[in-house]
Amino acid sequence: GIQVEQSPPDLILQEGANSTLRCNFSDSVNNLQWFHQNPWGQLINLFYIPSGTKQNGRLSATTVATERYSLLYISSSQTTDSGVYFCAVDLLSNFGNEKLTFGTGTRLTIIP
Amino acid sequence: GAGVSQSPSNKVTEKGKDVELRCDPISGHTALYWYRQRLGQGLEFLIYFQGNSAPDKSGLPSDRFSAERTGESVSTLTIQRTQQEDSAVYLCASSSNSRTHIRVSMKVETQYFGPGTRLLVL
Repeated sequence: GIQVEQSPPDLILQEGANSTLRCNFSDSVNNLQWFHQNPWGQLINLFYIPSGTKQNGRLSATTVATERYSLLYISSSQTTDSGVYFCAVDLLSNFGNEKLTFGTGTRLTIIP
Repeated sequence: GAGVSQSPSNKVTEKGKDVELRCDPISGHTALYWYRQRLGQGLEFLIYFQGNSAPDKSGLPSDRFSAERTGESVSTLTIQRTQQEDSAVYLCASSSNSRTHIRVSMKVETQYFGPGTRLLVL
């Protein structure tokens, strides 16, 4: 099956720092989403980005579909950015079943 | 409603008992998904409903797990004879996927997740 790998697995940063989270996937995708799971367990949609670049405030994401990776950028980190960031993909070959396959996540801790 | 809702938010049960978890998707969303998240891990797909099509049950871990959906509204996930390894957070998601003709066109939309049901089997 598809492999979705995220790196780094853990990241500890000082407040105000910038970070880049990476997601590699092993096959062509129809859908790619980035989520933030907050300390209370709620999954929050960040980006729907099967290709291209999007920005939303301090966050931006780029997916290079031909090279099978996506990057999530967080600038000027705040303590509220702490949590686990998941990349999830839906295979192009999975037509008829749009299930998301999740990576194992990057746990981000922002220290005041 | 404004988002996906799930109930109960927490459930503690004894091994061997049956449990029923409920999901109310976003109004108008044709697609509904159930996922499971074990402690410290990513989400695992369980089952997918799309409109009136037969559900994709390929992710259900055993025949103790089943799910139903009434039309394009509420879904229930039932776990029979619960085991301790069933302890996890069960998350529901919905999206407005649309399909014009199978294998011809599919517009895949963002999945929106509910808050989850935390199940603990003692």
